Amino acid sequence: GENVEQHPSTLSVQEGDSAVIKCTYSDSASNYFPWYKQELGKRPQLIIDIRSNVGEKKDQRIAVTLNKTAKHFSLHITETQPEDSAVYFCAASLTSGGSYIPTFGRGTSLIVHP
Amino acid sequence: DTGVSQDPRHKITKRGQNVTFRCDPISEHNRLYWYRQTLGQGPEFLTYFQNEAQLEKSRLLSDRFSAERPKGSFSTLEIQRTEQGDSAMYLCASSLWNTNTGELFFGEGSRLTVL
Repeated sequence: GENVEQHPSTLSVQEGDSAVIKCTYSDSASNYFPWYKQELGKRPQLIIDIRSNVGEKKDQRIAVTLNKTAKHFSLHITETQPEDSAVYFCAASLTSGGSYIPTFGRGTSLIVHP
Repeated sequence: DTGVSQDPRHKITKRGQNVTFRCDPISEHNRLYWYRQTLGQGPEFLTYFQNEAQLEKSRLLSDRFSAERPKGSFSTLEIQRTEQGDSAMYLCASSLWNTNTGELFFGEGSRLTVL
C-alpha cells in the first residue's frame, strides 16, 4: 500500500517568513495529493490539493508543487501569519477504479512567532 | 451547522468494555470514512463505505472493530473488549464521490480513553 513520509515534524518561523513542508510517497500510481490543516482541537480541513497532471498550484499565500519522477510534493506558505500556526498533513491517493483512500503523513506542527 | 457530526465527543471506559461511536455525515455525501488518530500521528485509515456498502477495511483493523452504515446515512463504529492501545481520536469523514474533488469533510472526532 501507499506510504507517505512528511518532514519536518516541527517548523518554527517568524511572522512574515516562508515555510516549506515536504512529503514523499511510495506508490507511483497515486495521482491526487491534498493538504489538510488542523488547528488545535479542531477538525482537519482541506486547504489545497494537486493532481498528478499538474506540477504546481497556487492559492493566495499557499502553493503546492509536485515532482512525479521523484515522488515528492511540497507545501509552500509565504508571508506567514500567526493564524497559520497549526498542524499540516499531506496525503496521497489513487483516484481511479472507484477506490479512494487517502494515506496521510504524520503531520508538521507549524509555529509562527509574532 | 450542517457539517459532519460525531457523538460522543469524549468517552472514558475501562479495559474490556465495549464502546460505540456514531457519525452523521453531510446529508448528500455518499462516502463515509473512519480514521484513527493518535498524538503526533496523522489520521490512519480504518474503513470506508459507499452508501451502505463497506468497501474496504484496513488490514491492521482488529476483528474487535466493526462498523456499519445500515441505511447509507449515519454510521457506527463499535470496539469490543477495549484495550489501552485503543485510546485515540476516532475521526469520521464524508465525501461526495464522482466529483472533481477528493475532499474529505471531517468531523471533530470522538476521543476514546481506555483505563
